[in-house]
Amino acid sequence: EAGVAQSPRYKIIEKRQSVAFWCNPISGHATLYWYQQILGQGPKLLIQFQNNGVVDDSQLPKDRFSAERLKGVDSTLKIQPAKLEDSAVYLCASSKQGVPQETQYFGPGTRLLVL
Amino acid sequence: GDSVTQMEGPVTLSEEAFLTINCTYTATGYPSLFWYVQYPGEGLQLLLKATKADDKGSNKGFEATYRKETTSFHLEKGSVQVSDSAVYFCALSDGAGGTSYGKLTFGQGTILTVHP
Repeated sequence: EAGVAQSPRYKIIEKRQSVAFWCNPISGHATLYWYQQILGQGPKLLIQFQNNGVVDDSQLPKDRFSAERLKGVDSTLKIQPAKLEDSAVYLCASSKQGVPQETQYFGPGTRLLVL
Repeated sequence: GDSVTQMEGPVTLSEEAFLTINCTYTATGYPSLFWYVQYPGEGLQLLLKATKADDKGSNKGFEATYRKETTSFHLEKGSVQVSDSAVYFCALSDGAGGTSYGKLTFGQGTILTVHP
């Protein structure tokens, strides 16, 4: 089966600009996650969707970050305006149901550099 | 809140050496525990998991046992290969407390380099 797809793979922007990332999860997976991975750290959850509803966005900086999951399939994550500290890899993952014992499948990530 | 602590890295070994990467956790409920691996130029992928106390996860010669009494999930391999060079992440998923059900909380990662 096809894996989790993400685009773009790399993005360089200047601070205060906006940027958007796209994710297409594995077909049939109800749960979609966006993680932020800063260099030298483990991934940190930004937002979790169950179908097209938000389950957890407690660590999403809502003054600048937004995300949506259209029709319970694809998802976009937007940053506006970007700050230097947003430089990181943004990982999208999906799982069938969103229960703790499930495996999550990760995409290749989008590497963002904010100058 | 939930947290995962991994041994400080990086770890450098010769081929066929024994590997241990320590991982301890703090969680509210009864989490599932995972080891994910990131090979150079590739995305994160599951290496192994254990979903209840005393379970042993295993894959590709790697093993880890869920120890509730010591809140640990140490990764071991008896004989590492050059192809095992990667970044290893310990993680937990805890459904207790009604918060994000299924989200992963990761350790900081351990870089493993294996020399021929």
